[in-house]
Amino acid sequence: DIQLTQSPSFLSVSVGDRVTITCRASQGIGSYLAWYQQKPGKAPKLLIYAASTLQSGVPSRFSGTRSATEFTLTISSLQPEDTATYYCQQFDSYPLTFGGGTKVEI
Amino acid sequence: EVQLVESGGGLVQPGGSLKLSCAASGFTFSDHYMDWVRQAPGKGLEWVGRIRNKANGHTTEHAASVEGRFTVSRDDLENFLYLRMNSLKIEDTAVYYCARGGRIGNAQNDYWGQGTLVSVSS
Repeated sequence: DIQLTQSPSFLSVSVGDRVTITCRASQGIGSYLAWYQQKPGKAPKLLIYAASTLQSGVPSRFSGTRSATEFTLTISSLQPEDTATYYCQQFDSYPLTFGGGTKVEI
Repeated sequence: EVQLVESGGGLVQPGGSLKLSCAASGFTFSDHYMDWVRQAPGKGLEWVGRIRNKANGHTTEHAASVEGRFTVSRDDLENFLYLRMNSLKIEDTAVYYCARGGRIGNAQNDYWGQGTLVSVSS
């Protein structure tokens, strides 16, 4: 199985901060990686797919990059509504797997 | 507007069975792969299983943790996704989400339902 290691698991930040979350895959997955945002009591929401493509309707302060098996989600200027837990997911091979999550608090 | 609405969750005893449903609307259901993803209380997301679209024979994949106990199925005429859960264990307690996949494999889940809670307890 492909393991996705997310770091950090928790971030305490301020409004306006630049936030970076990393997801490392245990083996190559190409660009078959997505990022989701989940707020308490709500379903996950797709932010980024194919490692760097912004989902329609998602603010441009969110971006994704890939370097080999390391993927990064960046929020360029954190807004209060960005308080949430963020997950990466690989869809290269079965079983599909998620990272452990990064909780972002203000 | 794409909508996914789960139902069928509830309290069940260990060893019991339950069938979850997910009503899909707002898109051509038969074109898409569909997934079930669960989330135990206070924990992260765990993929449960997938069913491919009609073009790929409605074949399925399941996580090892549920293989042989859970079965994903679909009804493309009525636009429903199902998850049949047998031999339930306490560790199956979770919110279960249905999620839309792509028209091909290797695609993200772009729409999710609101989830339905399954509690396994004696």
